[in-house]
Amino acid sequence: EPEVTQTPSHQVTQMGQEVILRCVPISNHLYFYWYRQILGQKVEFLVSFYNNEISEKSEIFDDQFSVERPDGSNFTLKIRSTKLEDSAMYFCASTRTGESSPLHFGNGTRLTVT
Amino acid sequence: ELKVEQNPLFLSMQEGKNYTIYCNYSTTSDRLYWYRQDPGKSLESLFVLLSNGAVKQEGRLMASLDTKARLSTLHITAAVHDLSATYFCAGATGTASKLTFGTGTRLQVTL
Repeated sequence: EPEVTQTPSHQVTQMGQEVILRCVPISNHLYFYWYRQILGQKVEFLVSFYNNEISEKSEIFDDQFSVERPDGSNFTLKIRSTKLEDSAMYFCASTRTGESSPLHFGNGTRLTVT
Repeated sequence: ELKVEQNPLFLSMQEGKNYTIYCNYSTTSDRLYWYRQDPGKSLESLFVLLSNGAVKQEGRLMASLDTKARLSTLHITAAVHDLSATYFCAGATGTASKLTFGTGTRLQVTL
């Protein structure tokens, strides 16, 4: 069964550094998302992406965040200058129709900012 | 803005028992999702409920949706240890399926 793949599984970075989290969504899916989950807390929406542009973003997704789909397969989340509070598990998700089908989540990237 | 609340936050139950997790949401939600998360793992889709009165069952889990009461339930029948996980409900409005998650219910099934 096709799945969403994320790399790396764990990233450790120093405060102020830039990080890029990578995702390969399921190939025939059209809607892409980033969510994050701080340890032990609920899953929070960051951004949705459709037709090569951001369709919605949350308050968390400020100017230090950006997303890109540089080619037909990859979907990336960049954090320009990481803060301690960016430490979390970041999940990429995709879905085909955007309405009645579930979101398929990747295994996540655990980001630790020191 | 859609808000989603679950209760209980933590549930310890014995094998063989039945229990229900409740998910309330604040405004109209076009659809309701249930996900399972094992510790340190990703989110696994369990159910998508699309309309009032929808009921879906998979094994020992059954989910229902009452849009008038803005309530979804996840019922566990004759729990087994393998069901131990955190269960999240999530609501969505409009297209593009931006999900708003509840706080999660950590289920622990003891022998």
